[in-house]
Amino acid sequence: DARVTQTPRHKVTEMGQEVTMRCQPILGHNTVFWYRQTMMQGLELLAYFRNRAPLDDSGMPKDRFSAEMPDATLATLKIQPSEPRDSAVYFCASGVRGVVTDTQYFGPGTRLTVL
Amino acid sequence: AQSVTQLDSQVPVFEEAPVELRCNYSSSVSVYLFWYVQYPNQGLQLLLKYLSGSTLVKGINGFEAEFNKSQTSFHLRKPSVHISDTAEYFCAVSENSGYSTLTFGKGTMLLVSP
Repeated sequence: DARVTQTPRHKVTEMGQEVTMRCQPILGHNTVFWYRQTMMQGLELLAYFRNRAPLDDSGMPKDRFSAEMPDATLATLKIQPSEPRDSAVYFCASGVRGVVTDTQYFGPGTRLTVL
Repeated sequence: AQSVTQLDSQVPVFEEAPVELRCNYSSSVSVYLFWYVQYPNQGLQLLLKYLSGSTLVKGINGFEAEFNKSQTSFHLRKPSVHISDTAEYFCAVSENSGYSTLTFGKGTMLLVSP
């Protein structure tokens, strides 16, 4: 049963520290998405990769957030420096292009708390 | 740009009763529609999707949804719910374009009690 994996599952850090979240997409999937979930905003798309190339990162605060795919099996989301307002659950999803669109499969999420 | 409205933030229902979770969308182009379920402290799991063809779509766990283009709706239904269906349900839309990003609704919490 192929699944998207995310590490760490939980992260507590202090304001100003760097945070790195990792995602392993399902083998064979060529699209990766990063989302942020908060009570106030719901689910927001942060960034989107296809074949490791960034296609859309307009939802991401550019001054402190960065997303990369060093290889096809790893996607990373970094926050530097972190702020309390970054506290949220961060989801990675992977997908494969079907006939008309991608179907996205979500990981379990990383719950980030910035003190 | 597309948007999704889930009219109910919470839907309480008794076990074995039918349920409908409402979803309306807005888009200037044709769309693809999805329902996801999120159990506590877990990621989102795909319940069902509408891409084309029959407007009645059947998904996992006995759920189904009907695409109504004239009313721009994609309501989710189940004829008899179980306690285990207690979860948050998200409706999402993707426009028929080169990109496949999803726009999610705010979610509906389904609370099933005995």
